[in-house]
Amino acid sequence: GQQVMQIPQYQHVQEGEDFTTYCNSSTTLSNIQWYKQRPGGHPVFLIQLVKSGEVKKQKRLTFQFGEAKKNSSLHITATQTTDVGTYFCAGPRGSTLGRLYFGRGTQLTVWP
Amino acid sequence: EAGVVQSPRYKIIEKKQPVAFWCNPISGHNTLYWYLQNLGQGPELLIRYENEEAVDDSQLPKDRFSAERLKGVDSTLKIQPAELGDSAVYLCASSLSMSMNNEQFFGPGTRLTVL
Repeated sequence: GQQVMQIPQYQHVQEGEDFTTYCNSSTTLSNIQWYKQRPGGHPVFLIQLVKSGEVKKQKRLTFQFGEAKKNSSLHITATQTTDVGTYFCAGPRGSTLGRLYFGRGTQLTVWP
Repeated sequence: EAGVVQSPRYKIIEKKQPVAFWCNPISGHNTLYWYLQNLGQGPELLIRYENEEAVDDSQLPKDRFSAERLKGVDSTLKIQPAELGDSAVYLCASSLSMSMNNEQFFGPGTRLTVL
């Protein structure tokens, strides 16, 4: 079945450094969502990408959806301690709407 | 606007005991989800409701898990009897509709510890 693979599992950076997490699917995704979960918190929606090759920015965060709609990335420029948390990508399975398969997440640690 | 409310936040029980979790979704959200999240993993869907109908319960271990969403608003997830492996965080989420893969709003979760 479809799996959403996410790498790396852990990333430790110095404050001010950039960070990127990658999400890959074995099948084409109709869309992909990104969520952030702070330590001890719950997942919070960040963004949804729908179009092939789409790029969206939120301040220091840049989200990309691959041309084949099988991969996606989240890039954070000049990380801050407030960026600490686990970033999940999630995609629907086939044509089933509403059901998201979450990746394992990338846990980001930012050293001051 | 109030977010998704869950209770209790923490629950510690002994194995073989029953346990129930309650969720109140965001007002107006027709779709409700129950997820299980193990440490270091992403949320895994247990069951999904569209109004009061369970439209996707294929991942719910029906021998011990049950859920209901009476009147299409609040929902309860029950485990009976609980096993050691059920220790996890149980997350409830809601969205406007499942038709467009709308963003899901998660509650704070219930952390279950089975001893």
